[in-house]
Amino acid sequence: ETGVTQTPRHLVMGMTNKKSLKCEQHLGHNAMYWYKQSAKKPLELMFVYNFKEQTENNSVPSRFSPECPNSSHLFLHLHTLQPEDSALYLCASSQGPAPYEQYFGPGTRLTVT
Amino acid sequence: KNEVEQSPQNLTAQEGEFITINCSYSVGISALHWLQQHPGGGIVSLFMLSSGKKKHGRLIATINIQEKHSSLHITASHPRDSAVYICAVSRIGNQFYFGTGTSLTVIP
Repeated sequence: ETGVTQTPRHLVMGMTNKKSLKCEQHLGHNAMYWYKQSAKKPLELMFVYNFKEQTENNSVPSRFSPECPNSSHLFLHLHTLQPEDSALYLCASSQGPAPYEQYFGPGTRLTVT
Repeated sequence: KNEVEQSPQNLTAQEGEFITINCSYSVGISALHWLQQHPGGGIVSLFMLSSGKKKHGRLIATINIQEKHSSLHITASHPRDSAVYICAVSRIGNQFYFGTGTSLTVIP
């Protein structure tokens, strides 16, 4: 399998649940990103990992917890989310930190009930 | 005010028309990116440029660093070009700023 994959593609969870989003890249890249895309808003960069080290955390609430065990895998652990967290969550990877071109996964459509 | 502004927000064109989408930004950048997002969410990077002009098939992207402006042109538009086109800028240190996107519909 090539490119950037994300699982699950759709997720519905209650506010008390704990779930995790998974991202995997098969491109040999060293940087990985989590983005949030809400309706009618620009993409929001949430987290950046470069060589497994977190380099950016754009004031994201602690109910979102990233994990990067190696350069190919990225997780986003979710707990006690709010309905306003419902959005499309996109993972991306790049050869290195900006300004390298980013390759995006298909996204996980998250609905918090 | 968003660091990246796109216009128009929505665009409808007849098949075959020449299309232009504009992007202006207010910060110093290392590169500008044009992205395409189809219904369903997947995003594809179309161009990354820091100067001049790039062409790929029917798509052309230009950038004017002095004026902090970029344009994406689509020649001989086709219904399969219908998508949201997003302008983004990147800065050293993994800073990214995104426009809100231009929703393009090409009618047969």
